[in-house]
Amino acid sequence: GAGVSQSPSNKVTEKGKDVELRCDPISGHTALYWYRQSLGQGLEFLIYFQGNSAPDKSGLPSDRFSAERTGGSVSTLTIQRTQQEDSAVYLCASSFLDRLPSGNTIYFGEGSWLTVV
Amino acid sequence: DAKTTQPTSMDCAEGRAANLPCNHSTISGNEYVYWYRQIHSQGPQYIIHGLKNNETNEMASLIITEDRKSSTLILPHATLRDTAVYYCIVRKGAAGNKLTFGGGTRVLVKP
Repeated sequence: GAGVSQSPSNKVTEKGKDVELRCDPISGHTALYWYRQSLGQGLEFLIYFQGNSAPDKSGLPSDRFSAERTGGSVSTLTIQRTQQEDSAVYLCASSFLDRLPSGNTIYFGEGSWLTVV
Repeated sequence: DAKTTQPTSMDCAEGRAANLPCNHSTISGNEYVYWYRQIHSQGPQYIIHGLKNNETNEMASLIITEDRKSSTLILPHATLRDTAVYYCIVRKGAAGNKLTFGGGTRVLVKP
């Protein structure tokens, strides 16, 4: 598609349930990022996939959070045993990886709003 | 990545130019200045970026001082739809480096 696509756009789940959030990056983009933003807060980096290299998982807040990227395209962020503090909008972004700095601008999707009740 | 300092908030009048300052005094030679904005309930939107030369596109102009320690984003004719939080970010130019967001400037365009 033309932009980064995320699904679901909204998700309400019960505390303790597992959730999966999906991201379709811009076609041809080999770098993929996940961020989250709690209500009224700034954007927090979670994880970054860079082509075939090992992902940068330094921002994942706990071992309940994991992400994978299959076939170098679609990514899934999984949150196990959700807690109320996991409520946030989860943003996915993508960019080219192997272009000049002027060509690897990061573009964001509209996010998946997660509410844990 | 180098840290940036931006005013917490600012107002501007509809139809006038909005000048958004950003200090990045510890920027290094291989770091670019990026600007994004986030309109309420939407994902961050890329605006513009530059290294040392001034840049202009259909959305805005970016003026970077000669010593690169500060920059100004200019929205030439602000509209009500430009009300948003504007983030100034410095990021290494090597492919794949992530963006680290600060608090940004909350811009309110008033009629």
